[in-house]
Amino acid sequence: EIVMTQSPATLSVSPGERATLSCRASQSVNGALAWYQQKPGQAPRLLISAASTRATGVPARFSGGGSGTEFTLTISSLQSEDFAVYYCQQYHHWPTFGQGTKVEIK
Amino acid sequence: ELQLVESGGGLVQPGGSLRLSCAASGFTFSNDNMHWVRQGIGKGLEWVSVIDTAGGTVYADSVKGRFTISRENDKNALYLQMNSLRGGDTAVYYCVRGVGRASVLDPWGQGTLVTVSS
Repeated sequence: EIVMTQSPATLSVSPGERATLSCRASQSVNGALAWYQQKPGQAPRLLISAASTRATGVPARFSGGGSGTEFTLTISSLQSEDFAVYYCQQYHHWPTFGQGTKVEIK
Repeated sequence: ELQLVESGGGLVQPGGSLRLSCAASGFTFSNDNMHWVRQGIGKGLEWVSVIDTAGGTVYADSVKGRFTISRENDKNALYLQMNSLRGGDTAVYYCVRGVGRASVLDPWGQGTLVTVSS
């Protein structure tokens, strides 16, 4: 099983600031990395696949990067609707998720 | 609009059984792999199982031998039969489409809550 580790667990950011979330895989996932956003009481929503490809309708302020075992999700200018929990997921093998990063208002 | 709607959750005693259903619409159901993913209350996401377009199945070790995933393409329906339920199975269970042949998960249903307790 590929273990996914996200950091930090919680990120406190002011609206309008930049947020960078990290995700590390226990072995290379060959770019098969997705990011999801989950708001309280809602199902997760796909943001990014293939490490850097935004899903339909996802604002350009969300960007993904990285390769091999190290990946990042950057939100360039946080909006009020972006405060949520973010999960990374590898799909190089059967899916495994990171434990999540909560982005909260500072 | 792509939509997945789960049903069948509820309260069940340890050792009991429950069958979850998922109704799919807005896409060609038979062309896509389908997954179940669960989330313990206040916890992270855990992949449970997948069924591919040919009916092949894979399970997480935590549910292998106890859960059975199945599908009825003519009804656009996905199922999860859960037997020998344990407290650790308490979670919201999501039905999710796998995009293409990869396990990119989109969209997700709204989830159905399964509570295992005496």
